[in-house]
Amino acid sequence: GAVVSQHPSRVICKSGTSVKIECRSLDFQATTMFWYRQFPKQSLMLMATSNEGSKATYEQGVEKDKFLINHASLTLSTLTVTSAHPEDSSFYICSAGQSHPDTQYFGPGTRLTVL
Amino acid sequence: GENVEQHPSTLSVQEGDSAVIKCTYSDSASNYFPWYKQELGKGPQLIIDIRSNVGEKKDQRIAVTLNKTAKHFSLHITETQPEDSAVYFCAASMLTGGGNKLTFGTGTQLKVEL
Repeated sequence: GAVVSQHPSRVICKSGTSVKIECRSLDFQATTMFWYRQFPKQSLMLMATSNEGSKATYEQGVEKDKFLINHASLTLSTLTVTSAHPEDSSFYICSAGQSHPDTQYFGPGTRLTVL
Repeated sequence: GENVEQHPSTLSVQEGDSAVIKCTYSDSASNYFPWYKQELGKGPQLIIDIRSNVGEKKDQRIAVTLNKTAKHFSLHITETQPEDSAVYFCAASMLTGGGNKLTFGTGTQLKVEL
């Protein structure tokens, strides 16, 4: 159990365009979803925390107008990278959290390349 | 905020040997310590976790120990196999009944050699 999916797994886009990444909890309802980015050979850095039906809480230094997060249901959260630039190229990973037990499960990640 | 340090950054062992990865945390309020395994190009996979009300937990070849006084916890893998090769991350958080933010360590690249 506790499966989290992400779509797409890989995306290449041009500078200035927007990209949407979906995160779904397939077999449980996620009270909270988290979005991370990971650069090569580095750890995961939390970008934002989202709860269903409310605005996301962004970590310091993360531009909320650039990284739009929508958590429309207990099984779906989306991250939209707006006006993407090459420096936004990274591995984006979501996780979904349960209340009981209080555990986070990660999606497989999305590799974003901005040309 | 919480700060998690992890050592070593790389670890190479022979197949069948044991591997130990150590982490320290700074916030005494943290009470949940998961370990994740990440293979290249994939998301982290939870392999074991421990809560602060226990000192040790074991699941087949994997065990985790926690020393709350010293604020450190360790991952132990016995009888290592080539498929154990991956990056391992420790993390710490304070359970709040949902929405617990994880602070990750810097990762350990484990290589199990034949």
